[in-house]
Amino acid sequence: GPKVLQIPSHQIIDMGQMVTLNCDPVSNHLYFYWYKQILGQQMEFLVNFYNGKVMEKSKLFKDQFSVERPDGSYFTLKIQPTALEDSAVYFCASSPVRQNTLYFGAGTRLSVL
Amino acid sequence: AQSVTQPDARVTVSEGASLQLRCKYSYSATPYLFWYVQYPRQGLQLLLKYYSGDPVVQGVNGFEAEFSKSNSSFHLRKASVHWSDSAVYFCAVSMNTGANTGKLTFGHGTILRVHP
Repeated sequence: GPKVLQIPSHQIIDMGQMVTLNCDPVSNHLYFYWYKQILGQQMEFLVNFYNGKVMEKSKLFKDQFSVERPDGSYFTLKIQPTALEDSAVYFCASSPVRQNTLYFGAGTRLSVL
Repeated sequence: AQSVTQPDARVTVSEGASLQLRCKYSYSATPYLFWYVQYPRQGLQLLLKYYSGDPVVQGVNGFEAEFSKSNSSFHLRKASVHWSDSAVYFCAVSMNTGANTGKLTFGHGTILRVHP
């Protein structure tokens, strides 16, 4: 079936540095999402993105977070600067239309030291 | 605010046994309901979804789920499990309105282990 690819699978970074998580969504999909899962906790919605704009974001989507998809390439989540509490697995998802099935990537484990 | 509860953090069954994974939701109206499965080192994959109509929905690999409005539940079932069903199972809901942006609210997940 359709696949969402996330690169890298694991990233280790020092607190205060910038990190960019990359997501290659399904090619004809229009809606893009990031979710965050802290170890042992449930997956939580961060943000969704359509037509070059953020549609909705949660309180977890701090000012240090930003998303973009320049020229139909990777859908990225940038954190600048990182904090210890940003350590988590970040899942990217995409869907073809608004109220349709979300397709998820395998996640990027971010470790902030 | 909507919420999803999966009361069983871990379930262990023997191969060939029947299975039920429980899911209860809290929402002011009937939401869209989903079950996803996550195998090791893979992304979440959709097993089945309920939008409306017949409360029993069929999914992939012999899974089915039953929506109960009176119980606010959407339990997942399988008549006979296989060792390859070992994975983490997530129940999720989204708003059933025109304002839906596709955002899903997830339960904590249930780790299923099937003894061969």
